[in-house]
Parts: sequence; C-alpha cells; structure tokens
Amino acid sequence: GAGVSQTPSNKVTEKGKYVELRCDPISGHTALYWYRQSLGQGPEFLIYFQGTGAADDSGLPNDRFFAVRPEGSVSTLKIQRTERGDSAVYLCASSQTLTVYNEQFFGPGTRLTVL
Amino acid sequence: AQRVTQPEKLLSVFKGAPVELKCNYSYSGSPELFWYVQYSRQRLQLLLRHISRESIKGFTADLNKGETSFHLKKPFAQEEDSAMYYCALIGAQGAQKLVFGQGTRLTINP
Repeated sequence: GAGVSQTPSNKVTEKGKYVELRCDPISGHTALYWYRQSLGQGPEFLIYFQGTGAADDSGLPNDRFFAVRPEGSVSTLKIQRTERGDSAVYLCASSQTLTVYNEQFFGPGTRLTVL
Repeated sequence: AQRVTQPEKLLSVFKGAPVELKCNYSYSGSPELFWYVQYSRQRLQLLLRHISRESIKGFTADLNKGETSFHLKKPFAQEEDSAMYYCALIGAQGAQKLVFGQGTRLTINP
C-alpha cells in the first residue's frame, strides 16, 4: 500500500512569509509525528499526535510553529513569519498506535528553504 | 536529558571487511534503541530495534547497558550497505518521540 506522503516536496519562501506543510499518514495509523532535520544533523522531534490531539508538542521551537490534525488523519505543520534558520527538511512519520512497539514509517520529507 | 552520540560522521571500509558503527546514549532509565538507515534518494527506514532482537540484512546490534552503547555490526560489508545510518532511542517513560544521533555516512569501497 501507499506509504506516508508529504507535500510539497520542496518549498522556497521569503523571510517573514507563512508556510504550510502537509502530511498524509498511512491509512489506519493513529499516531503521527513531525521531525525537523537540519543539514548534517539527525532528525529532531517537533510534535506528535494520537488521533486529533497533540500528545506532545515539546519539540516545537517557538510559537511561530503550530501543527494540526483536525480529523485524525492528514496533518498540517504551519510556520508563521519564517526565518532563515527554519530552513531544513521537515519529516513526517506515522505508526499504527502510540507505542514503542510500533514502527514509525517516515515520509520523503519537505525541503523548506527560507531566503 | 536524552542524548545519542555517533562519534563518526564518516566511515569507509572495503567490501567484505567487517563494519562497526558506534552509538552511545545517555538516558537515566531503560531506553529502547533503534537503528534507522537512509539509502541514496530513499526515505528513512527502520533497520533494526533492540526489542526485536533481530538480524536484518546481516546487521546486528547489542545493547550494552554498562557502556551505554548500541553499536551496529556486520561481519562482511557489501556495496549495497553504503548509506546514512542513524542511531535513535525512545525513553521508556511513555514518550514516543525518537531521539536521533547525528548519523554516520557509511561507504563501502569495492
């Protein structure tokens, strides 16, 4: 079946603009995760959802970052007033349930470039 | 605090030689440990995890709690093993977020 998908694959924006990044998890997966990967680094956790609610948003760097999952499936990561330091690959993952025993399946990522 | 350290950014070995990718972690409890791999132009995928005690594609990893290490090993490297490898942990206290190391780029020379 289809894996996790993310759109767009690439996004170039200007400093100060607003962007939305979309994640479509694997059908039936109730847990959804967002990570950010800066150049030369491993992925860093941002937020994860169980169903519609954010179970842990402790990784969001500041209040310019916000994520939603209104129907418990598709999720959108929103970044306001983008800064050059936000440039990174944003990864989404999903798992069947919220437990360490369930593998997290990753999407291809969205490469965000802030000019 | 949870931290994963992969001391080698780059590792290069010859085909057929043994390979070991180092991973050390710091966590006060008993974490679950994972190795993820990213082949060229592919997405990040799970290679193996400690709780499964599996051997995947000839790779194994042993958790050493005394040394807080989870090194990845393969006795005979193959060219298709060239990839980016990330060690990661999940803290056992209910948090499901993966904490990744910075990764090691493994190159297998023919």
